[in-house]
Amino acid sequence: AQSVTQLGSHVSVSEGALVLLRCNYSSSVPPYLFWYVQYPNQGLQLLLKYTSAATLVKGINGFEAEFKKSETSFHLTKPSAHMSDAAEYFCAVSDPFSGGYNKLIFGAGTRLAVHP
Amino acid sequence: DGGITQSPKYLFRKEGQNVTLSCEQNLNHDAMYWYRQDPGQGLRLIYYSQIVNDFQKGDIAEGYSVSREKKESFPLTVTSAQKNPTAFYLCASSKFEAEAFFGQGTRLTVV
Repeated sequence: AQSVTQLGSHVSVSEGALVLLRCNYSSSVPPYLFWYVQYPNQGLQLLLKYTSAATLVKGINGFEAEFKKSETSFHLTKPSAHMSDAAEYFCAVSDPFSGGYNKLIFGAGTRLAVHP
Repeated sequence: DGGITQSPKYLFRKEGQNVTLSCEQNLNHDAMYWYRQDPGQGLRLIYYSQIVNDFQKGDIAEGYSVSREKKESFPLTVTSAQKNPTAFYLCASSKFEAEAFFGQGTRLTVV
């Protein structure tokens, strides 16, 4: 079965520091991959997605992620953290057998804290 | 504005009661989904529907029911058979081979 592992349930960085949130997936076929962000008591907002085009994907708010097939990874990075980046981040993979519709499988999430 | 509307935002259920969570979308998306979110567990799929009048169980469908009578609407009923219903429920929709868009969620609490 498909699974997504996010290393580190909590990550804390200083404002201006590099943000690195890790995501590894298990899949026998190249999947679609997504990063979503969630602010408290709100829904999820798409940050970026990988759909088998360029391996380096740029998203909103200065985030980007790189698909590495050999490492089955899709880590999320941002060069310089801002206080407004504090939120929970979810990595997700689409089920390749969901007939083209994105029945997503989510990681457990990483809560990012940004301190002054 | 196009989007997904979930209502109510907060819902309280008594033991043994059925409650229905509403989800409406005006994005003209074919597929709709219900997820349950618990702290530290990510999101788990309850039910999904790819076409009107058809839906499939997800990973944790026991104690829940859905209907898809209209393309725009995908209500979720939490039945009394669901023993631990307190959670944050998220509805989503998507087009074919495109990302899922999420509503703002409904927080259900058993009192």
